[in-house]
Amino acid sequence: KAGVTQTPRYLIKTRGQQVTLSCSPISGHRSVSWYQQTPGQGLQFLFEYFSETQRNKGNFPGRFSGRQFSNSRSEMNVSTLELGDSALYLCASSLTSGSPETQYFGPGTRLLVL
Amino acid sequence: AQSVTQLGSHVSVSEGALVLLRCNYSSSVPPYLFWYVQYPNQGLQLLLKYTTGATLVKGINGFEAEFKKSETSFHLTKPSAHMSDAAEYFCAVTFAGGGNKLTFGTGTQLKVEL
Repeated sequence: KAGVTQTPRYLIKTRGQQVTLSCSPISGHRSVSWYQQTPGQGLQFLFEYFSETQRNKGNFPGRFSGRQFSNSRSEMNVSTLELGDSALYLCASSLTSGSPETQYFGPGTRLLVL
Repeated sequence: AQSVTQLGSHVSVSEGALVLLRCNYSSSVPPYLFWYVQYPNQGLQLLLKYTTGATLVKGINGFEAEFKKSETSFHLTKPSAHMSDAAEYFCAVTFAGGGNKLTFGTGTQLKVEL
């Protein structure tokens, strides 16, 4: 089975722009979660989608949004980029949304905001 | 609210020596605990998880962890370190009904020396 794929792998943007990241979960997985990883704040949960509905949301401003499609693929969008949004964005998929599901992580998208 | 504390941001061991990475949790409800490993420029890989039942959990690559409720700990061990174990290790916690929202510790960078 193919693993979780994320595109693009690397991205450079400037302040004020917006960006969309994509995540394709493992086949058959219906839950997709997003995490932000930075040297200063570590790994922080952004949100989780299950069957096209947001199930959980972390403590991030409204500039961060996401969605999930009927094929379980997910996108996250960051509008009005700030320098502090530079991070590795990780996507994880699991079969369902109920704990304690094992989450399988993708390789991440590294975003640099200049 | 739940939290995880990993003692020691950097741990160095000799090849063949015991690996001990510490994780203490705080949770007002029974926790589900995870250990993940991250190699450079990669996503996270699950090593092992504790949900309920047996408190000694065996994972991949010879790692194991023991859930100790009285000490609120979930330390990761491996009897004999290998050079390929050099990576960053993250402890994470969630709980029943928490969906797939993981709260991560700050990580421990493991260095294995000859």
